[in-house]
This record gives sequence, C-alpha cells and structure tokens, in this order.
Amino acid sequence: AQTVTQSQPEMSVQEAETVTLSCTYDTSESNYYLFWYKQPPSRQMILVIRQEAYKQQNATENRFSVNFQKAAKSFSLKISDSQLGDTAMYFCAFIPNTGNQFYFGTGTSLTVIP
Amino acid sequence: NAGVTQTPKFQVLKTGQSMTLQCAQDMNHNSMYWYRQDPGMGLRLIYYSASEGTTDKGEVPNGYNVSRLNKREFSLRLESAAPSQTSVYFCASTSRFGSYNEQFFGPGTRLTVL
Repeated sequence: AQTVTQSQPEMSVQEAETVTLSCTYDTSESNYYLFWYKQPPSRQMILVIRQEAYKQQNATENRFSVNFQKAAKSFSLKISDSQLGDTAMYFCAFIPNTGNQFYFGTGTSLTVIP
Repeated sequence: NAGVTQTPKFQVLKTGQSMTLQCAQDMNHNSMYWYRQDPGMGLRLIYYSASEGTTDKGEVPNGYNVSRLNKREFSLRLESAAPSQTSVYFCASTSRFGSYNEQFFGPGTRLTVL
C-alpha cells in the first residue's frame, strides 16, 4: 500500500520567519515523483515544488526548498522569509513512476502571523 | 491555454437528484482524475482515466460514475445524490510523459446535497 502522512494538521509562523512542514510516505517503488501543493482560500491547487526520487539534489524554488531523505522516506518543505500570502493549506503528494495514481496527504494548514 | 476547466462552480441538489460535473483540459494530457475534498481528509480519489478509453476506480467510487468522452473531457455523474456527497470536487490532469508528471487542477465545484 502507498500512503502519505502529514503529521501536522496546523502550524503557524511569524512573518519573515522560517517554517518546515513535514511529510513522510510509504512505497515499495524505487522511482517516483514527490510534490508539494498549496491551496489558498481561493481553493485553487497550486504546485509549489517537485522532486524526482532519482535526483539526490534537493529541489528549490525561490523561498521554498525541500529536504528529501529517500532512505527515511521523508520529504519536508521549508518556507523561508514567510509572507502573508503563504497562508494556505499545503498538501504533500507522490506518484510512482510505474503507476497512474497520485497519493495525497491530509494537508497542513499554515497561518502566517503579521 | 485555459488549463483545466470545470463546470459548474457551485451546485445545490436535493437528495435523490442527479447531475453531471463536467471537466475539460486543453493541454493534451493523457490522464485525468476526479477527487473530492472534505475537511480533515485531504483529497480522495474517486475515479481516474489513465488514457482515453479507460477508467479505473479510486479510493471512494461508490455513488459515482465517470465517462472519458474523448482525450479532452472527463465527466463525473451522481445518479442519486446523497447528503454524504456534499463536498468540493476537483478535476485534474497530467501528462505522465517526460519530466513533468505534476497534476494540474481545475478550480473545483462546491456541491451541497440537501
């Protein structure tokens, strides 16, 4: 069975500070893709960052970076210099390279406090 | 490009009524998906279509049917709506070729069943 676990239902961070959201997953596949999606109050799902499991280098996108630990099956998201617009629900997801189904975590609600 | 479009954006039904949610993508993607999102439960897969002409059940298919009308369109039908189907529904698509693989989401449909 393939599962994604986000153990932090809610988090908060002061504006301009750094926050890390946790995600662990379980799969027997050796190659897969990992994603973080952001869902602001508008409900639109927006891709934040993606990581290919065969790449050892951690992905970065501006203020967003990941800590990908393949052996530990961990994929955390770090948001630096948090901004009010980062307030949203964040979902971790993955898809095995051999499959067609995406697996999502239950989400972490992040609030950035001014 | 419009990306992934869904209609309608909002819908209120009475128990026992039927309706079809429409989804279309203009990105020439092979795979399309229907999810429902409920508070605290993340995104749950209802049905997906890996390619034109195929459909498969996801995690929560009961009470729903789907049609992959062509490569662009993937509809979700509720034959006899129940209050338990009150939710936000998202359609998504992905290429599954090349290095992309991320899902692109529609804006969602908020459905209330009274």
